[in-house]
Amino acid sequence: NAGVTQTPKFQVLKTGQSMTLQCAQDMNHNSMYWYRQDPGMGLRLIYYSASEGTTDKGEVPNGYNVSRLNKREFSLRLESAAPSQTSVYFCASSDQRESSEQFFGPGTRLTVL
Amino acid sequence: EDKVVQSPLSLVVHEGDTVTLNCSYEVTNFRSLLWYKQEKKAPTFLFMLTSSGIEKKSGRLSSILDKKELFSILNITATQTGDSAVYLCAVPTQTGSARQLTFGSGTQLTVLP
Repeated sequence: NAGVTQTPKFQVLKTGQSMTLQCAQDMNHNSMYWYRQDPGMGLRLIYYSASEGTTDKGEVPNGYNVSRLNKREFSLRLESAAPSQTSVYFCASSDQRESSEQFFGPGTRLTVL
Repeated sequence: EDKVVQSPLSLVVHEGDTVTLNCSYEVTNFRSLLWYKQEKKAPTFLFMLTSSGIEKKSGRLSSILDKKELFSILNITATQTGDSAVYLCAVPTQTGSARQLTFGSGTQLTVLP
């Protein structure tokens, strides 16, 4: 099992460009998450999907959109990148129990110039 | 507002030392607390604690939860250079309709040979 995979691993964008971060999991989990991690800030939730076809905003959703394409895949889109979106982005998945462990992908390091 | 606070922010020790990392929390509807280890990439799960006073152990790592005083500690005995990492504490919380893990900012542990 690959677990949670993310592409790309690294990306450099110019201000105003758009891009989509891809995430897939092969653990048959219902819930998927997108976090960003900035120095000294821990991980902050951007968006969450409890199941296929549903998405919810997290703590820091502004400037992002998501699509839960099917049970396996959950993508994060930056329509018009800004330097404040320079960060490391992690996708995670879990089964639907609220207290359960989340499994993380390897992360995408994004730099917006 | 839900809060998870970790201390210290960073710690430098020598191999063989014992360390104690702290995590305090203020959340509504507390159910569990999770510890993760992050070495340069994705966080990996260590422990989930739900019951007060019951120690979880895995090799040289152990953790305990105090639900009355709202904190948890992670102990590492006989530290090794491979224990160098950021240790994250997280608690399941709810933001609107989104269920998420709220993370502390982490403790950066450096173990010197």
